[in-house]
Amino acid sequence: GIQVEQSPPDLILQEGANSTLRCNFSDSVNNLQWFHQNPWGQLINLFYIPSGTKQNGRLSATTVATERYSLLYISSSQTTDSGVYFCAVRAAAGNKLTFGGGTRVLVKP
Amino acid sequence: DAGVIQSPRHEVTEMGQEVTLRCKPISGHDYLFWYRQTMMRGLELLIYFNNNVPIDDSGMPEDRFSAKMPNASFSTLKIQPSEPRDSAVYFCASSLQELVTQYFGPGTRLLVL
Repeated sequence: GIQVEQSPPDLILQEGANSTLRCNFSDSVNNLQWFHQNPWGQLINLFYIPSGTKQNGRLSATTVATERYSLLYISSSQTTDSGVYFCAVRAAAGNKLTFGGGTRVLVKP
Repeated sequence: DAGVIQSPRHEVTEMGQEVTLRCKPISGHDYLFWYRQTMMRGLELLIYFNNNVPIDDSGMPEDRFSAKMPNASFSTLKIQPSEPRDSAVYFCASSLQELVTQYFGPGTRLLVL
């Protein structure tokens, strides 16, 4: 099945810093989503972005489908951005949504 | 709107028992998703429904798991018989359409002894 790798596995930021999270996948996809899980376990669906670029406040995402990667940008990070960010993809030839292992982010005040 | 409601929030049961998890989606949402999260396997999409009809159950681990959506405001995920490896947090989510923002419930933390 499709492989999804996220990097870095862990990230420590000072409040106000910018950062980039990466999601690599091993096959063509027709669905790619980014999720955030806060330290209390609550999941939030951030973006549906199988290609192109989207922005939502301080967060933006870009997927380059032809090169099989997606990037999540966090600008002017805040402590509330802490948690784990997951990338999930569905292969164009498949029907199962596969999650990456996540990037754990800690934003220090 | 109260958001996606899941019950129970916590469940402790013994191996071999039947477990039923419940979900009430946001009113008007046509899609409902069940996810499972464990330390070993991470996040997994188990099954999702559109207008109460199961669309993709390829993530359901085995026959011990079953999910139903008898109406637009209620879904169940049942495990029978339960096993210790089923211990996980089970999330339910709903959305207006398939490929737009999903809204998650708080999860049900299941422990099978």
